[in-house]
Parts: sequence; C-alpha cells; structure tokens
Amino acid sequence: EIVLTQSPATLSLSPGERATLSCRASQSVSNYLAWYQQKPGQAPRLLITDASNRATGIPARFSGSGSGTDFTLTISSLEPEDCGVYFCQQQANFLTFGGGTKVEI
Amino acid sequence: EVQLVESGGGTVRPGGSVRLSCAASGFTFEDYGMSWVRQAPGKGLEWVSGIYWNGDTTGYADSVKGRFTISRDNDKNSLYLQMNSLRAEDTAFYYCAKNTGPYLDTYFDFRGQGTLVTVSS
Repeated sequence: EIVLTQSPATLSLSPGERATLSCRASQSVSNYLAWYQQKPGQAPRLLITDASNRATGIPARFSGSGSGTDFTLTISSLEPEDCGVYFCQQQANFLTFGGGTKVEI
Repeated sequence: EVQLVESGGGTVRPGGSVRLSCAASGFTFEDYGMSWVRQAPGKGLEWVSGIYWNGDTTGYADSVKGRFTISRDNDKNSLYLQMNSLRAEDTAFYYCAKNTGPYLDTYFDFRGQGTLVTVSS
C-alpha cells in the first residue's frame, strides 16, 4: 500500500498570504494524485486532479505541482473561505489518502 | 447539477448489519464508476469500496473485505452498500462518491452530506 504523508499538520496564516502544502508518497505515483478541501460538517471537494489540473469551478489561486513522490498544493493568496482540511489522494496503486493538513486563517 | 443523497445510517450493535443507499441525479449514472468513502469522526478519509460503471467489477479495502458488499442499479440511479458483521471500528460517516471515470482507478467527486453509521452496544 502506498502511504501518503502530508505536512505540516497545521498551517496558520493570514489572509493574502501564500500557503504551501506538501504530500509525499512512499513510492512513485507518477502524476496520479489529487487534492481535496474539506470544511467542517461538509463533504470533501475535489480541487486538483493528476497533480496539476484544477477541477471544474476551482479558483485560479489553487495550483498543484509535482510528480513521482513529492507534490505541492499552493494557495497563492489566502481567502478567509479557504480554511479547512486539505487531503491528498493517489490512484496509482490502489486508492489511499493522506492524513490531511489543517489550514487556519 | 450532480447530486448524491446518502441514506440508511444509524446506530447498530456489533455484529449487526445495515444497508446504505445513495440516490444519484444530475449526471448519466451508468457512465461512471461509483465508490463509498468513509471518515471516522475527526479522522481522515478511507476508501471502502468501488464498483465499475456496469457493476461487473468491484473492489474493497482489506478492512471490509468479506463483510461489505457494494452494488448498483443503473435503472434506479442508485448505489448500495450492504454492511455485515459490523465492528466498532466501522463507526464513521459514509460518503457516496462519483468516480471521475468508469472504473476503479479514480478520483472522487463528493456531492452528498454522508450518512453516519455508529456501531455500539
């Protein structure tokens, strides 16, 4: 099973700042990685597919990069509504999720 | 607009059974694989089970294999999860998700609120 490790566990930033979230895979997943945002009491929302493709309706301030084992989700300028927990997920070998990064604003 | 409405959750005793349902609308259901993903309260996400667009192939997490059965009815635009021999560690919100493709190698489009299954004596 491929293990996804996300860091940091919590990120505390101010509106307008840049957020950089990391997801590291225990073995290569090529570019088969997605990012999700989850707000309290809500289902996760798909943000990024195939490491760098924004899902429909996702604002341009969200971007993804990386391949192989190291991936990054960047929020270029934080908005108050961007608070929540962010998860990465791989589909290269079975289906697994990272443990999440909580973004506080 | 894609909508997924989960139902069937509740409190069940260890060893008991429950059947979850998911009513889908807003997309051509028979074109997409579907999955169940769960989340224990305050914890992370775990893929539980998935099914091909045509129902011919299914997949399960090791933690539920042999106890849970996924199925679908394309005529009714519905997805199901039969959960047997339930354990305390199965306590979670269960989300129905539309796969991004017809098969099991996929990302997830979550559009429901989930249904809570609590396993407790």
